[in-house]
Amino acid sequence: EAQVTQNPRYLITVTGKKLTVTCSQNMNHEYMSWYRQDPGLGLRQIYYSMNVEVTDKGDVPEGYKVSRKEKRNFPLILESPSPNQTSLYFCASSKRTSGRWGSQETQYFGPGTRLLVL
Amino acid sequence: AQSVAQPEDQVNVAEGNPLTVKCTYSVSGNPYLFWYVQYPNRGLQFLLKYITGDNLVKGSYGFEAEFNKSQTSFHLKKPSALVSDSALYFCAVRENDGGATNKLIFGTGTLLAVQP
Repeated sequence: EAQVTQNPRYLITVTGKKLTVTCSQNMNHEYMSWYRQDPGLGLRQIYYSMNVEVTDKGDVPEGYKVSRKEKRNFPLILESPSPNQTSLYFCASSKRTSGRWGSQETQYFGPGTRLLVL
Repeated sequence: AQSVAQPEDQVNVAEGNPLTVKCTYSVSGNPYLFWYVQYPNRGLQFLLKYITGDNLVKGSYGFEAEFNKSQTSFHLKKPSALVSDSALYFCAVRENDGGATNKLIFGTGTLLAVQP
């Protein structure tokens, strides 16, 4: 079954304790991305990756790191979490195509990781 | 810069009645538009997208959306609502950057509540 998986699904941690949220896809997609969802703000992109070893900042990258050592995995790292990073996090993937007006490909989302930083 | 607006935080509709969830967009060039649904404690599920061609796009679970270029709208519709349609709906537009980022720009979401 084609899917995007995230772990853990729920996490409660304390300020400053490093954590990693894993994301894996089995569709051989080049493109992967992390979003955070906050009430009244919709989803905002944190980081994205167009292929292995190629990553770049999205709209709200502060306090986050990512890596893309393998095509299927795109972990999100919070080196020193703070309470303002309490949120619902989604990983997404899609094929990478380009066109004049952008990519026509559909992005597929993981089930989400709900993070609470105390 | 591209943007998407969902003017209603919540839409209430009785089961069996038609439903509409509104979305307007602001883009330069041709928009690529998407609708996603989020059920409680679940991820976002793709419903449908408009890329080009017929302005009426049909998607999953009986949903459809009408692209209206003159009104810059992409409203989501369903002829007969089900209680199980109750969820959070997001409209999104693709960043118009020639595919450099594949980024989606999301609206703030509309909560659909279908009463039995």
